[in-house]
Amino acid sequence: GESVGLHLPTLSVQEGDNSIINCAYSNSASDYFIWYKQESGKGPQFIIDIRSNMDKRQGQRVTVLLNKTVKHLSLQIAATQPGDSAVYFCAENPGILTGGGNKLTFGTGTQLKVEL
Amino acid sequence: DGGITQSPKYLFRKEGQNVTLSCEQNLNHDAMYWYRQDPGQGLRLIYYSQIVNDFQKGDIAEGYSVSREKKESFPLTVTSAQKNPTAFYLCASTQRGGEAFFGQGTRLTVV
Repeated sequence: GESVGLHLPTLSVQEGDNSIINCAYSNSASDYFIWYKQESGKGPQFIIDIRSNMDKRQGQRVTVLLNKTVKHLSLQIAATQPGDSAVYFCAENPGILTGGGNKLTFGTGTQLKVEL
Repeated sequence: DGGITQSPKYLFRKEGQNVTLSCEQNLNHDAMYWYRQDPGQGLRLIYYSQIVNDFQKGDIAEGYSVSREKKESFPLTVTSAQKNPTAFYLCASTQRGGEAFFGQGTRLTVV
């Protein structure tokens, strides 16, 4: 959930290394999860999503892992590049199946810094 | 092209004034949201609307008001009751159970 008043945690990685960004979500009934990337001064952009009936999903250079037992979500970025530097947010959506409506809730976010 | 548009990109407000931020989407999405983002921090939900003519308060609704008279539009008014309105405001829309599409944001500054 949100950490009002706290600054974003930062993850620094070397170019070419793999990055792992973690997120704890709050609603055990959530059935849809999304990772967003936000560059400075812009709106968040969709990266990858996963539904609760899966525990892993892969995209281009990105993998999302879902552990429903501990309500944990992670984003893995392979061969991190300077263009990956941004803030990354996870989001959960209770969706229609759980009766939670359509209220999208964001995690605190993590600042990823790629060092050359 | 379908998308979500916020305007203006930059907005300046004098203390004591109300200002309205525009958000329009042509994605035919039912749900729309307003978030506030302060420097170096995450997104905080102000208001959201799941259907036309209905909206709910988010976590930080005090000092803000919204309306949802049309499916495509969800304007946010920052009232004089909001004591610290300087922030980056983001509007988003979703279809039920789906990903959110964001606008490019409005940066509001009190002068």
